[in-house]
Amino acid sequence: SAVISQKPSRDICQRGTSLTIQCQVDSQVTMMFWYRQQPGQSLTLIATANQGSEATYESGFVIDKFPISRPNLTFSTLTVSNMSPEDSSIYLCSVEARGGGPNEQYFGPGTRLTVT
Amino acid sequence: AQKITQTQPGMFVQEKEAVTLDCTYDTSDQSYGLFWYKQPSSGEMIFLIYQGSYDEQNATEGRYSLNFQKARKSANLVISASQLGDSAMYFCAMRTGGFKTIFGAGTRLFVKA
Repeated sequence: SAVISQKPSRDICQRGTSLTIQCQVDSQVTMMFWYRQQPGQSLTLIATANQGSEATYESGFVIDKFPISRPNLTFSTLTVSNMSPEDSSIYLCSVEARGGGPNEQYFGPGTRLTVT
Repeated sequence: AQKITQTQPGMFVQEKEAVTLDCTYDTSDQSYGLFWYKQPSSGEMIFLIYQGSYDEQNATEGRYSLNFQKARKSANLVISASQLGDSAMYFCAMRTGGFKTIFGAGTRLFVKA
């Protein structure tokens, strides 16, 4: 299994500012994923981050808006840039445990972001 | 195109009774995995159960079982003996080759005392 922590757990930010969310895993993992969950909605994949390579973004998400870093096998950050109220969501980090089977995907506790 | 459909926005169940949450999926891949997650009001995603496309037996995990009907492309979650703590959002999800997981819209379950 993998234990994931995220910082901050929640934040209230002003429009036009940026917030960086940190994701720390207690073991080395190959793949890390960032999801967004808008209020009352399901989870949408933002990007996949592998260590040592550029993140792969899903349709509708761009690097300028959601830059991601993956400096090592246990850590990643997601920045939400130039925020607007539409960015108010829960942002979840997820990992696939290294060497794990197809069901070995774990989620962090999420970061609740409110943009005013 | 890959798709997960959950048609029940909300469900009510009496405590100690069983409830079935529906999930249908669409994929052209032969190899895929189906998941159910629980999301309480705290927001965390809790993994409940997994079914692989080649698994012949339905998956079970304690009070949770997955009714897998491959020909119908359905993967319904059955919760037996519901408890008040089961009140939450439930998401059906699918992963195909490439390790991306897609989620359904979710079903909010309310357990009544």
